[in-house]
Amino acid sequence: SFVLTQPPSVSVAPGETATITCGGNNIGTKSVHWYQQRPGQAPVLVIYYDRDRPAGIPERFSGSNSGNMATLTISRVEAGDEADYYCQVWDSFSDHPYVFGTGTKVTVL
Amino acid sequence: EVQLVESGGGLVKPGGSLRVSCAASGFIFSSNTMNWVRQAPGKGLEWVSTISSSSNYIYYSDSVRGRFTISRDNAKNSLILQMNNLRVEDTAVYYCARDIGVRGSGHDYWGQGTLVTVSS
Repeated sequence: SFVLTQPPSVSVAPGETATITCGGNNIGTKSVHWYQQRPGQAPVLVIYYDRDRPAGIPERFSGSNSGNMATLTISRVEAGDEADYYCQVWDSFSDHPYVFGTGTKVTVL
Repeated sequence: EVQLVESGGGLVKPGGSLRVSCAASGFIFSSNTMNWVRQAPGKGLEWVSTISSSSNYIYYSDSVRGRFTISRDNAKNSLILQMNNLRVEDTAVYYCARDIGVRGSGHDYWGQGTLVTVSS
């Protein structure tokens, strides 16, 4: 099955930019979604279809996807952005098509 | 307002069965693909199963295929996960999640989750 690899942790100072990667074989050919999960809470969709933002998600959150890597970028990081972030793809050729990445803990210094 | 409310979690012995439900409101339930996603204590998210709006397409993860059954009742705005032959490793919070639209479009609304504990 499709494997998505994320760095376990990313640390960033307030006001700086956090970059979270999601690696997978030819991931650029698939649709990638990103979720934020704060402790004790359900996940929240922050990016879908590689780069689209749901209503209510700040423009500071952006996404890209090409080749073997998808990226979630959080600009002007705030303390409230501290959370776990997960990428997800839909592999339409698989009989178990949704796959989550391993997750990245973002720490705001 | 879109709401997804899970229920039915609890403690069950290995080999036992449990049925968890998700009550949906605030949207036209019959229009959206629905999913179950779980999270073991201290672990990451794991996709479990997906069912299309008319139940024409159903998918399972390898870890639950043959033991779990997903279903929906569009007349009752209800999503069901029947879990049989439960294992210790099935212990997790089970979330109900709505796809934005068609299959594969991402989960824009989630319930608060229901805890399933499999232990002797």
